[in-house]
Amino acid sequence: EAGVAQSPRYKIIEKRQSVAFWCNPISGHATLYWYQQILGQGPKLLIQFQNNGVVDDSQLPKDRFSAERLKGVDSTLKIQPAKLEDSAVYLCASSLVSSGNGADTQYFGPGTRLTVL
Amino acid sequence: AQSVTQLGSHVSVSEGALVLLRCNYSSSVPPYLFWYVQYPNQGLQLLLKYTTGATLVKGINGFEAEFKKSETSFHLTKPSAHMSDAAEYFCAVSDGSGYSTLTFGKGTMLLVSP
Repeated sequence: EAGVAQSPRYKIIEKRQSVAFWCNPISGHATLYWYQQILGQGPKLLIQFQNNGVVDDSQLPKDRFSAERLKGVDSTLKIQPAKLEDSAVYLCASSLVSSGNGADTQYFGPGTRLTVL
Repeated sequence: AQSVTQLGSHVSVSEGALVLLRCNYSSSVPPYLFWYVQYPNQGLQLLLKYTTGATLVKGINGFEAEFKKSETSFHLTKPSAHMSDAAEYFCAVSDGSGYSTLTFGKGTMLLVSP
């Protein structure tokens, strides 16, 4: 079974530029998550989709970050404009179904390492 | 709000020695608890999780963890460390409501020396 795919793996941009990350979850997984992992910290949830609807985006900086999940499969996370503090690894994860009880196993992709200069 | 505290950003052991990585949580409701491992330049992989039932949970690669409600702890152990265990380990908590949102600790880097 193929895992969660992400691209690109690495990206270097100048501040104030825009960047987009792509995620393809495991086939059949209804729930998709985007996390931000800053060096030395644990992952922090940015946004969570159930199929193609947003169920939690409370920690997404909406003035510069946006995400979409068209057709309930692939997802794109965009940053515009980027700031220095956005340098981090952006992880995508998916789970088979959101049972609504918090016990679902999340499967993570390899991440995209973003460096903002 | 829920939170996770992992004691020790780095833990060093010798190959063959006991591995103990500490995790304490805070949650207003009975929690679901997870341990994930992250190898360099890779995503996170689930080691084990506690949802309900038996408080001693066995995971992959010989790891296990025990849920102790009275101590609000979920420490990860392995009887004998192997060089391949060197990685970063994250403890996470879900409060069991909503849509499986996880709150992660800051992680503990396990270093294994020959």
